[in-house]
Amino acid sequence: AQKITQTQPGMFVQEKEAVTLDCTYDTSDQSYGLFWYKQPSSGEMIFLIYQGSYDEQNATEGRYSLNFQKARKSANLVISASQLGDSAMYFCAMRGNTGGFKTIFGAGTRLFVKA
Amino acid sequence: NAGVTQTPKFQVLKTGQSMTLQCAQDMNHEYMSWYRQDPGMGLRLIHYSVGAGITDQGEVPNGYNVSRSTTEDFPLRLLSAAPSQTSVYFCASSYDPSAYEQYFGPGTRLTVT
Repeated sequence: AQKITQTQPGMFVQEKEAVTLDCTYDTSDQSYGLFWYKQPSSGEMIFLIYQGSYDEQNATEGRYSLNFQKARKSANLVISASQLGDSAMYFCAMRGNTGGFKTIFGAGTRLFVKA
Repeated sequence: NAGVTQTPKFQVLKTGQSMTLQCAQDMNHEYMSWYRQDPGMGLRLIHYSVGAGITDQGEVPNGYNVSRSTTEDFPLRLLSAAPSQTSVYFCASSYDPSAYEQYFGPGTRLTVT
């Protein structure tokens, strides 16, 4: 069975500093994808970044990077130079490439950026 | 291009009532799915569809029905609402099942009393 674990219910970070949000996963699929989504207080789900299990380089998208350690089954999100607008819930998700490509989500981490 | 639209935005039902949550996308996406989000939890997959005429169950399908008669629409039906179905419901779509980005609708907040 697939599982996503986010162990940090809440995190604080000072504006302009970097922050790492943890995500570990478990799957028996050989090929899979890992995602991060942002959910601001307005409620919409915003796609941030994607990492394929066979990608050799860590994914980056602007201030977001995904620290992918396959052997440890971790896919941590790093946000550099935090901004007040980064305050939101962040969800890690995984999609296996078998069994209908179902996507499962972790419970989320709420990030608070302090001025 | 409206993306993924959901109606209604808010709904209050009494226990035992039925209703349909609407979801439509105008991006010609093959893959559509329904999730529910409960407090303190991430999104959980209810049902999904890999194309018109094809649907399958996700993690929490009980109490919900779906059909996919067109590529654009993927309605979610609650046959007999229960308080445990109080949640925020999200519809999502992607170009195909393996596409790395899912586009989410704005959500429907459902309360069952």
